[in-house]
Amino acid sequence: SQTIHQWPATLVQPVGSPLSLECTVEGTSNPNLYWYRQAAGRGLQLLFYSVGIGQISSEVPQNLSASRPQDRQFILSSKKLLLSDSGFYLCAWNRGWRDSPLHFGNGTRLTVT
Amino acid sequence: DAKTTQPNSMESNEEEPVHLPCNHSTISGTDYIHWYRQLPSQGPEYVIHGLTSNVNNRMASLAIAEDRKSSTLILHRATLRDAAVYYCILRTIGGATNKLIFGTGTLLAVQP
Repeated sequence: SQTIHQWPATLVQPVGSPLSLECTVEGTSNPNLYWYRQAAGRGLQLLFYSVGIGQISSEVPQNLSASRPQDRQFILSSKKLLLSDSGFYLCAWNRGWRDSPLHFGNGTRLTVT
Repeated sequence: DAKTTQPNSMESNEEEPVHLPCNHSTISGTDYIHWYRQLPSQGPEYVIHGLTSNVNNRMASLAIAEDRKSSTLILHRATLRDAAVYYCILRTIGGATNKLIFGTGTLLAVQP
């Protein structure tokens, strides 16, 4: 069976510090990978998606970036965090099938102080 | 991407059926209708999806209008564990990717 791992679960970082969140998927190959962000009391905002190694599409311009160095690894980064980067970050995957549902990780709650 | 409209919140009593509506008047013929739910402090969980016909699974049923401009997620007997935010989303076939755009969803409260 397929599983998705996301870490850390919680993170408190000062403004201006760097960020690296990692997500890995097991039990499948060539998944589509996604990063979403959810601000407190809000819906999910799609940040990045990837259909293959080194292929990243950005949905929202911001100071965040994403990379996919391996087939089942997706990394969300920032060089300098802003207060507005606080939120609940979720990694997700699905297959390339036309009706494939999304499977989410347990998320990382980031607080920028 | 076509947009969906859902009520901000709904309330139900335990062990009663719940009908969660979703309007998607600009849906195209190739859009699948997906439903997810999100429990507090967790990632969203897939519930059900369909294209034209009504669908049933162990979690819920999905009723799709004949013109496909609306759909209803049906929880047959609500439990306290069904209290969550429910998202109705459209996904277009044939695009470059399977990306799903989430709205703000419906917050379902279940009363004992």
